[in-house]
Amino acid sequence: QKEVEQDPGPLSVPEGAIVSLNCTYSNSAFQYFMWYRQYSRKGPELLMYTYSSGNKEDGRFTAQVDKSSKYISLFIRDSQPSDSATYLCAIDAGNNRKLIWGLGTSLAVNP
Amino acid sequence: GAVVSQHPSWVICKSGTSVKIECRSLDFQATTMFWYRQFPKQSLMLMATSNEGSKATYEQGVEKDKFLINHASLTLSTLTVTSAHPEDSSFYICSARGGADDYGYTFGSGTRLTVV
Repeated sequence: QKEVEQDPGPLSVPEGAIVSLNCTYSNSAFQYFMWYRQYSRKGPELLMYTYSSGNKEDGRFTAQVDKSSKYISLFIRDSQPSDSATYLCAIDAGNNRKLIWGLGTSLAVNP
Repeated sequence: GAVVSQHPSWVICKSGTSVKIECRSLDFQATTMFWYRQFPKQSLMLMATSNEGSKATYEQGVEKDKFLINHASLTLSTLTVTSAHPEDSSFYICSARGGADDYGYTFGSGTRLTVV
């Protein structure tokens, strides 16, 4: 079983839709969870990070962690064409602070 | 916010030559930098972790003699791909930790290397 699982998609939604992106993980000891956005041929950009369980909101983005289910989510409200990118979840494994990456989900928001 | 500058953004080189990629933290001191490799439609693969003033720690399967990493100062790390071959063609990305937001893990914009 992989440490982090993420459906690569692709996911295609109309402009204005609510987007839900998800990852599951295997190790219940993981504490720090991150979401990155990566545009084509660019480096990843940190969107959100959360510690332990709960929700965190930043503008149109909400990150959610459910440690009991080992499930992390990123919600995008009122999605825009500029949100079209690949979204990667990442977990700080705590071992030399290395990040464990999901495969990334490709999102297309159509005008 | 923290900014990491990576150069060049793309490079084409002949097989057998060496290529150096630079990664600079512009407004913070990066005690640790990470080098990743990414193939098309795949996630990031950590190649090595470098700490300022010490040898890099390479991930299993990464040839340290082929991918030379130098982190000589708190703002600069370099990755040199030695004797490059077409199979080394990839997207290389650096990441730095050490900004005000410890969980920034700020990334450079990446370098697309093509070996012909």
